[in-house]
Amino acid sequence: RKEVEQDPGPFNVPEGATVAFNCTYSNSASQSFFWYRQDCRKEPKLLMSVYSSGNEDGRFTAQLNRASQYISLLIRDSKLSDSATYLCVVNSGDKIIFGKGTRLHILP
Amino acid sequence: DAMVIQNPRYQVTQFGKPVTLSCSQTLNHNVMYWYQQKSSQAPKLLFHYYDKDFNNEADTPDNFQSRRPNTSFCFLDIRSPGLGDAAMYLCATSRVTGVGNEQFFGPGTRLTVL
Repeated sequence: RKEVEQDPGPFNVPEGATVAFNCTYSNSASQSFFWYRQDCRKEPKLLMSVYSSGNEDGRFTAQLNRASQYISLLIRDSKLSDSATYLCVVNSGDKIIFGKGTRLHILP
Repeated sequence: DAMVIQNPRYQVTQFGKPVTLSCSQTLNHNVMYWYQQKSSQAPKLLFHYYDKDFNNEADTPDNFQSRRPNTSFCFLDIRSPGLGDAAMYLCATSRVTGVGNEQFFGPGTRLTVL
């Protein structure tokens, strides 16, 4: 099993729809989790940290399921500007692992 | 108010010709990282500095070296670039390592090897 695994997509979603994707991780000792957004040929930018209790920031909701070892990102009322690659990052204290990312295309 | 700055943004070098990429930060973070990212792949950590302590990833080729002369600056030296080293090189910083540390990335330097 890969250390951090994401569905590469692309997810093609009409504007205004809700979309969700998951990221699974193999190290049960992993302690912190993040979602980054990366636009084409740009650097990754932190979207949100993922806490055990789940967290919400506007249209974005992130959740952590430790039992099943995955994190999720939900985007509501998607906008054209949400089109990007979403990278999952898992930190086990001494190691930071990036997923390959999930590509999201919002269609007008 | 750029926080992590990388220069140059685009670098073209010849096969085997040494090249240096630079990164500076205004965040006063303790940790600086260098990543290599190829198309459609995840960023791959090459090494990081915690203050002056250098931490090399086990699979980072010897061809890649780094220097951190002070808190603000960190350099990536590629001694003999090969065609396979063409990639985006990302510098990142974080306040500390370990649980909960968030990384802030620079805009990257895209390296082309001819």
